[in-house]
Amino acid sequence: QKEVEQNSGPLSVPEGAIASLNCTYSDRVSQSFFWYRQYSGKSPELIMSIYSNGDKEDGRFTAQLNKASQYVSLLIRDSQPSDSATYLCAVNIKAAGNKLTFGGGTRVLVKP
Amino acid sequence: SAVISQKPSRDICQRGTSLTIQCQVDSQVTMMFWYRQQPGQSLTLIATANQGSEATYESGFVIDKFPISRPNLTFSTLTVSNMSPEDSSIYLCSIPGATNEKLFFGSGTQLSVL
Repeated sequence: QKEVEQNSGPLSVPEGAIASLNCTYSDRVSQSFFWYRQYSGKSPELIMSIYSNGDKEDGRFTAQLNKASQYVSLLIRDSQPSDSATYLCAVNIKAAGNKLTFGGGTRVLVKP
Repeated sequence: SAVISQKPSRDICQRGTSLTIQCQVDSQVTMMFWYRQQPGQSLTLIATANQGSEATYESGFVIDKFPISRPNLTFSTLTVSNMSPEDSSIYLCSIPGATNEKLFFGSGTQLSVL
């Protein structure tokens, strides 16, 4: 089992719809969770951090964390073509020496 | 947040040669990290660059192949030695945020080995 798993996609959503991305992780004691956006040919950009159970909203982005079920999700509301990118889930894995471990990424394609 | 400058932004190299990638941060940072992202893959940590001591390498990465320098708290280099086409990747330097949990990345170096 990979430490951080994501569906690779592509996740195709129409413009204006909600994109829902999921991420599961293996380390039950992980405390810090992050979502990065990476455009093709560019470096990852941090868009959301979440540390406690529940929802955290920032603009059109909402991160959701459920530690009991070991998953973290990202919702993108009112999706725009500019949201087309790969979204990487990252988790501080204690077993890996508290290093940030990345999932494989979900490619999102927003169609006008 | 700190500005992380990385160069070159891209290079095309011949098999068997070496390339040194530079990472400059506009503030002092204790740790700097080097990641590799192979085509279509996620990020894999190569090593942690420590100022004043040898870098700490992750499993599967060795100093002879990826020598790292960290002469001060604002600068680091990663060399990809004796390159083969399998080394074609994006190489990224990164620094931790204030709480040492999140990471911020440089602009990356797109390396193609022929």
